[in-house]
Amino acid sequence: NAGVTQTPKFQVLKTGQSMTLQCAQDMNHNSMYWYRQDPGMGLRLIYYSASEGTTDKGEVPNGYNVSRLNKREFSLRLESAAPSQTSVYFCASSDSWRGLAGTYNEQFFGPGTRLTVL
Amino acid sequence: AQSVSQHNHHVILSEAASLELGCNYSYGGTVNLFWYVQYPGQHLQLLLKYFSGDPLVKGIKGFEAEFIKSKFSFNLRKPSVQWSDTAEYFCAVNARGGYQKVTFGTGTKLQVIP
Repeated sequence: NAGVTQTPKFQVLKTGQSMTLQCAQDMNHNSMYWYRQDPGMGLRLIYYSASEGTTDKGEVPNGYNVSRLNKREFSLRLESAAPSQTSVYFCASSDSWRGLAGTYNEQFFGPGTRLTVL
Repeated sequence: AQSVSQHNHHVILSEAASLELGCNYSYGGTVNLFWYVQYPGQHLQLLLKYFSGDPLVKGIKGFEAEFIKSKFSFNLRKPSVQWSDTAEYFCAVNARGGYQKVTFGTGTKLQVIP
């Protein structure tokens, strides 16, 4: 199993350019997520998809759009890149299961995309 | 809404020293708790997790964490660190039940000096 894969690994854009970050998982997970990681700020959730066919905003959705293409794939699009979007972007997936004490889940992360916007 | 605090932003230790990284969360209900590690240039990997049962959880590479419900804490410990433990460590929490959103702390950078 490859787990969670992301492309590209690195990208440099000019302000105003657009691009799509791709993410795929082969673990048959229902939920997928996009985070950005900035120094001193930890991981912040951009968008998530709790299940195929649904997407919702996270903490920092402005300037981004997402598409849950199918159960495996969840893409993140920057329509008009800005320098403030320079960051490392991580995709993650998870599934949940119900136990005696409630619902549990564990997230698995992709290798990340390092994006620089000039 | 849930939140996570990691008070140590940068920790420097010598090899063989003991480690304890603090993590406190705020949420009124039942939670699942996680510690993730990110080695330089790599993605996040799960170190250990607490769902229920014994509040002392053992993870990979000799790490352990103790869930103290009364203190809303989930501190990470290791008796003797190695240079290879140099990494950034993230505590995370998600509310049990309903949707699986996970909230991460801001991370603690650990530097182990040989």
